[in-house]
Amino acid sequence: ELKVEQNPLFLSMQEGKNYTIYCNYSTTSDRLYWYRQDPGKSLESLFVLLSNGAVKQEGRLMASLDTKARLSTLHITAAVHDLSATYFCAVVPLNYGGSQGNLIFGKGTKLSVKP
Amino acid sequence: GAGVSQTPSNKVTEKGKYVELRCDPISGHTALYWYRQSLGQGPEFLIYFQGTGAADDSGLPNDRFFAVRPEGSVSTLKIQRTERGDSAVYLCASSPTSGGRTDTQYFGPGTRLTVL
Repeated sequence: ELKVEQNPLFLSMQEGKNYTIYCNYSTTSDRLYWYRQDPGKSLESLFVLLSNGAVKQEGRLMASLDTKARLSTLHITAAVHDLSATYFCAVVPLNYGGSQGNLIFGKGTKLSVKP
Repeated sequence: GAGVSQTPSNKVTEKGKYVELRCDPISGHTALYWYRQSLGQGPEFLIYFQGTGAADDSGLPNDRFFAVRPEGSVSTLKIQRTERGDSAVYLCASSPTSGGRTDTQYFGPGTRLTVL
């Protein structure tokens, strides 16, 4: 069974603090996505990680991928209130020559940054 | 440019009724996906179109669900004999395709379906 597991599922942090969200997946995949979802809104693409060791950074968020460990991390540096949202990781399973594109999502990490 | 649009934004229906949900993808995107998101969960894959054809419909929960994309652009998700358990947000996404691989998926705002 294909599984994508995120932890923690809920995260409450103080502004200015650092924290890491973890995403483990059970299937072979060569690409991993991070999305952000604000309450009542759709998903916004943050990062796509395409190879082992890939690291991408945007503002206070940095994502990395270890395909051997089947692990991705989303690191938050000096959190601010505007980062409060739910963050999802998703993988594309490698099937049938790799042309399948459907995403398998984790349950999401609900982040709340408090002043 | 215009993103993925979905109509209606909200749909309330009675158990047993038929509903249609529409998705208008980003112009030029050949791949189109439907997902369903229940409260507090991540989106779950339903069906994937590459052009006009359904490349993968393995996520459709049963034969009450059907989707079409007759001209390779707009898609309609059709649900017959709706049940209360069908209540969820239905998300559509589209992506470009190159070299046989699909790229980042861009999501629409979703249609919130409530079955009473």
